[in-house]
Amino acid sequence: EPEVTQTPSHQVTQMGQEVILRCVPISNHLYFYWYRQILGQKVEFLVSFYNNEISEKSEIFDDQFSVERPDGSNFTLKIRSTKLEDSAMYFCASKQQANTEAFFGQGTRLTVV
Amino acid sequence: KNEVEQSPQNLTAQEGEFITINCSYSVGISALHWLQQHPGGGIVSLFMLSSGKKKHGRLIATINIQEKHSSLHITASHPRDSAVYICAVNQAGTALIFGKGTTLSVSS
Repeated sequence: EPEVTQTPSHQVTQMGQEVILRCVPISNHLYFYWYRQILGQKVEFLVSFYNNEISEKSEIFDDQFSVERPDGSNFTLKIRSTKLEDSAMYFCASKQQANTEAFFGQGTRLTVV
Repeated sequence: KNEVEQSPQNLTAQEGEFITINCSYSVGISALHWLQQHPGGGIVSLFMLSSGKKKHGRLIATINIQEKHSSLHITASHPRDSAVYICAVNQAGTALIFGKGTTLSVSS
């Protein structure tokens, strides 16, 4: 069964460093998302991407964050100047169409120390 | 902005019990999703609903659009059903707005 894959599964980084979280969505999907879940809290929407551009973003997704689909298969989330409060599980998701179910990756646990 | 509320927050059951988890939302939606999150963290989609009722194995999901309410039922619960069950909605856009989740623990 096709699946969304995320790498790495766990990343530890020093405060102030830049990290890139990687996702390979399901191949025929057109909508891509990043969500995050701070430990003990609910999942929060960060950004959605369609037709090679950002289609929606939340107030969390400020200039510290950026997304890219560099090669038609990978979908990346870059976090610049990481802060302690960026520590969370980051989930990538994809959908075939706007009104279909979402498929989630297993997540990347980011720990900023 | 849509507020998604789930109840109960925590649920403990004995194997074989019938379980109901409720979800209510504040603003009209295009679809409602029920998701399962296991202790390892991964999220799996169980159902996507815009009206009526869906069934998959021992899981049943219903939605009442007029009352802005959905329920997830698990029949003949089993310890392997232990997980966090999350309700999420699509509002105007395609992104999901999540509830806080219901932690279910089923003991044998």
